[in-house]
This record gives sequence, structure tokens and C-alpha cells, in this order.
Amino acid sequence: KQEVTQIPAALSVPEGENLVLNCSFTDSAIYNLQWFRQDPGKGLTSLLLIQSSQREQTSGRLNASLDKSSGRSTLYIAASQPGDSATYLCAVTGNQFYFGTGTSLTVIP
Amino acid sequence: GAGVSQTPSNKVTEKGKYVELRCDPISGHTALYWYRQSLGQGPEFLIYFQGTGAADDSGLPNDRFFAVRPEGSVSTLKIQRTERGDSAVYLCASRSTSGTGELFFGEGSRLTVL
Repeated sequence: KQEVTQIPAALSVPEGENLVLNCSFTDSAIYNLQWFRQDPGKGLTSLLLIQSSQREQTSGRLNASLDKSSGRSTLYIAASQPGDSATYLCAVTGNQFYFGTGTSLTVIP
Repeated sequence: GAGVSQTPSNKVTEKGKYVELRCDPISGHTALYWYRQSLGQGPEFLIYFQGTGAADDSGLPNDRFFAVRPEGSVSTLKIQRTERGDSAVYLCASRSTSGTGELFFGEGSRLTVL
């Protein structure tokens, strides 16, 4: 069974810092990897999707990379803002979507 | 519709009661997923529909849980004889099986069993 791990579980940074969130998975036979944001009491908002044939995707201040052979993905957030505070989840797709437990990010003004 | 819609947004019930949670996926999305999320945890897979049929129901915790999607669009998650441990946020997601396969979530239904 696919196991997805996210490190760190929580992260607190001052506004303006660049940061990296990590996601690792045990089975490299994936179709896609998707990063989500979840605000307290809300559903999941899709941020970026990387298809298995791709190495990275960018959207605004976000950049996600994928290394299937090593079972790793990173989400890079540039110039962090207090509005970026949320829980960030990664999910890998095999026959279903497998989620990590998320990284809770706090950006301090 | 424009997004995945879930009703009710909140449901409080008593132990032993029957509950139905509804999901209306994005129009045209053939794949529909139900997940359950407890506080501080990632979403836990319950069941996946492709069209009208359950392609994978391996995540349903026991036979008190059942889901249907009779016309390949709206889905209902049904929980019989609810227990306090069923309290969680139930999330529904849908995706198109053409294109990128990006998954889109609803806002969830928060179930509290007293």
C-alpha cells in the first residue's frame, strides 16, 4: 500500500521568507502528484498538479517538483505572506489518491 | 455545477441514528471519491465511483457504511447505526477521467455523533 509522508508536520516562518515543504511516497508507480491547501474548517483547494511525465509545475509564487525515482516531491513557496498560513497536503495517485498528514504552515507578519 | 457541492455542511445526530450525506460533483466528472478526515489527519479514502459503479470500496470501515451513485452524478454516503467514532468531516471529490485528472474537493460535511 502506498505510504505518503510529509515533513515537517508544522512550520512557522517570518513573512517574506522562502520555504520548502517535503512530501515522500513509497511506491514510485504513480500517475500524478497533487498539492492542496486546506484552511481551518474548509475543504481542500488544489494548488498544483504534476503528471508523472513532468518534473515540475509553477503557479505564481509556488513551484512544485517531482522526482519519481526517489519518491519525493517538494513545494517551494517564495516570499511567504501571512495569507499563506494553512495546512498543505500532498496526494499521489495510483488507483486512488493517497494523502499525507499535511504540513501546518504559519507565516508570522 | 461550478464546483463540488456537499450537503449538509454540518450534521449533529445521536448515537444509533441513520445519516445521509450528499455530494453533487462537477458537471461531467465521471470519477467521484469519498474521504473522511479527522482532526489533524490527512483525508482517509472511503470509496471511489467510476460512473454509477463503485470501482473501489476498500476504504469503507465496516458494513454500516454504504454509498450510491445511481445516475452517475450525485452520490449519497449512508451511515447506519452511527457511533461516536464516526464523527469526522466527510469530504467528496470529483475529477474528469480525461485531461490532467486533477482532483477537486467540496467543502465537506462535518458529522458529529453525540
